Amino acid sequence: DQQVKQNSPSLSVQEGRISILNCDYTNSMFDYFLWYKKYPAEGPTFLISISSIKDKNEDGRFTVFLNKSAKHLSLHIVPSQPGDSAVYFCAPYTGTASKLTFGTGTRLQVTL
Amino acid sequence: NAGVTQTPKFRILKIGQSMTLQCTQDMNHNYMYWYRQDPGMGLKLIYYSVGAGITDKGEVPNGYNVSRSTTEDFPLRLELAAPSQTSVYFCASRAGGANEKLFFGSGTQLSVL
Repeated sequence: DQQVKQNSPSLSVQEGRISILNCDYTNSMFDYFLWYKKYPAEGPTFLISISSIKDKNEDGRFTVFLNKSAKHLSLHIVPSQPGDSAVYFCAPYTGTASKLTFGTGTRLQVTL
Repeated sequence: NAGVTQTPKFRILKIGQSMTLQCTQDMNHNYMYWYRQDPGMGLKLIYYSVGAGITDKGEVPNGYNVSRSTTEDFPLRLELAAPSQTSVYFCASRAGGANEKLFFGSGTQLSVL
C-alpha cells in the first residue's frame, strides 16, 4: 500500500530557474509533511516542513505548498543552484504516529 | 555534537553470515528507526522503537532483528545474510513530539555476496 508517491524519479533544471518537486499521498490523516534532501554517500537531512493547518511555508529559496483537498504537496526551489543537486524525499505523517513513511524520491540535477 | 552515529560504514558479508549494525544517538531521543535504501529506490522502514524496551516492525522486517536496551543504542541484527539484503542502511532518531524532524546517521553500505 503505497501511501506516498513521488511520480517523477528525476528532474533536470537549469541553474537560476525554478525547480518544482511533487508529492502525492493517500492518507487524509497526515498532518505534518517533511521534505528531506540526500546527497550521495550521506544520510538524508531535513530541509523544510509544513503543518496541515497551513498551505504554504517558506524558508529562503525553498517553499512548500500543501493542497489538502488534492492530497498533494510540492517543493519549489527558486533560484535553483548546482548545490541543490540531490535526491529529495517527502515524508508525511500524523503527529501521534510513530512511523515515518518516505516517498520514493526525486533526483534533481541542476545544470549550469 | 555527534548526533546519530552508525558503524561500520562499509561491510561485505558472505551468504549465511551474521552481523550487527550499530547505531547510537546522543540527543536523548525516544524514537529510533532503521531504514534501508536499495539502488534507485526510496527509504523503506525495517524496524522502529518508541523507547527503551519497545520495538515494532516496519514495512520490511523479515531477516532482521532489533533490540533497544538503552535510550542511546538501537542495533540491527542480520542473522543469515542473503543477497537481497544488499543495501544501504540508515539509522535515525527523533524526539517524538509533533512535527519533530528525523535525524539520520551517515549510513552503512552492506554487500552480501
